Amino acid sequence: KNQVEQSPQSLIILEGKNCTLQCNYTVSPFSNLRWYKQDTGRGPVSLTIMTFSENTKSNGRYTATLDADTKQSSLHITASQLSDSASYICVVSSYNDMRFGAGTRLTVKP
Amino acid sequence: ETGVTQTPRHLVMGMTNKKSLKCEQHLGHNAMYWYKQSAKKPLELMFVYNFKEQTENNSVPSRFSPECPNSSHLFLHLHTLQPEDSALYLCASSQDGAGHQPENYEQYFGPGTRLTVT
Repeated sequence: KNQVEQSPQSLIILEGKNCTLQCNYTVSPFSNLRWYKQDTGRGPVSLTIMTFSENTKSNGRYTATLDADTKQSSLHITASQLSDSASYICVVSSYNDMRFGAGTRLTVKP
Repeated sequence: ETGVTQTPRHLVMGMTNKKSLKCEQHLGHNAMYWYKQSAKKPLELMFVYNFKEQTENNSVPSRFSPECPNSSHLFLHLHTLQPEDSALYLCASSQDGAGHQPENYEQYFGPGTRLTVT
């Protein structure tokens, strides 16, 4: 079983709507958690990085939350745009290891 | 652009061929990585180089051979691959930390090489 589980696997929403992606992890000890956006045919690009003491971080219309007690994170996308169509990958680091989620494939339709 | 370039972007090779993937970073980083990304699977870390020294090899088959001649360049030499090796191969770079744990630093990814083994 992967130590980083993301849900849903895929999601389709209409342009302008909000959505929330989930990431649950069992990685321990915890160092940091990152969300990446990966457009089709491109490499992942970092959206946010959070350490143990941070429970929310925003990057434009993207807001990530972290609950280190329950080992859960979410990525909320506000007022979605067509360009948000991509895979979103959650990555959890321990002090000498990184674990990747399989990603959520988001499709934003007009 | 992230400052990490990869060539070629697409590669089709037979199982008996030998080819190499190239990665170059222009960010002044000291750590470089090779990842394999297969459809609907998490990224798999293959190799880590920190200050040109290989610090991690995640049980990668010997048909994949990395080379890091300097902190800016990373190669992945391929020979006698199998069809299941078909995937997107991503290169990334990051800063190093005092504890030589580059995994704790933000990584910048290249666009990847789409490899098809026939």
